Amino acid sequence: DTGVSQNPRHKITKRGQNVTFRCDPISEHNRLYWYRQTLGQGPEFLTYFQNEAQLEKSRLLSDRFSAERPKGSFSTLEIQRTEQGDSAMYLCASSLRTSGDQETQYFGPGTRLLVL
Amino acid sequence: GENVEQHPSTLSVQEGDSAVIKCTYSDSASNYFPWYKQELGKGPQLIIDIRSNVGEKKDQRIAVTLNKTAKHFSLHITETQPEDSAVYFCAASIRDTGRRALTFGSGTRLQVQP
Repeated sequence: DTGVSQNPRHKITKRGQNVTFRCDPISEHNRLYWYRQTLGQGPEFLTYFQNEAQLEKSRLLSDRFSAERPKGSFSTLEIQRTEQGDSAMYLCASSLRTSGDQETQYFGPGTRLLVL
Repeated sequence: GENVEQHPSTLSVQEGDSAVIKCTYSDSASNYFPWYKQELGKGPQLIIDIRSNVGEKKDQRIAVTLNKTAKHFSLHITETQPEDSAVYFCAASIRDTGRRALTFGSGTRLQVQP
């Protein structure tokens, strides 16, 4: 499978615990994005990387959230001291930078987080 | 920032009929408009996209039209089939250097009745 993969697919945690999600982008895609999707809504942008550099962060990304892409390949998203409001689907997408203004983002299956 | 509104929120059609979903955007700098299909428990899948230098694009039963003046774009699905049933999202992206985030609409749940 050459698509975007995310692990785990589901995560249940208790309020106050830390969780970490992993995203493996499509091979050779140099841009990687994290989005959050709550029930009945469209995805909301959190942050994006070009190679290993984090170039943009949404105001939705509070201090409890941190994302890394240490070698410009896979990425991790960590949420510290989880709150019930963090319950959502966390989506990862990747794209290949081109010479044009925009490029296509391909999404993974998501990690569904439930905070009890 | 950009704001994308999508209508209708739900749409039910008979198999073989056409379906139309409409979106409006607020920022005239937006230049890229993809449409995604999301099935239950899965991530969004790109079905078609259009750039602002094009007014219409077609791919088999799916077409997208863009009116830059009115700042709206639409998805047209012809000869609908039960497997078209899913949630469809429109999105827009602003043409700022370094900005790559997609702003999504709130989605349209399409139900194709056999």
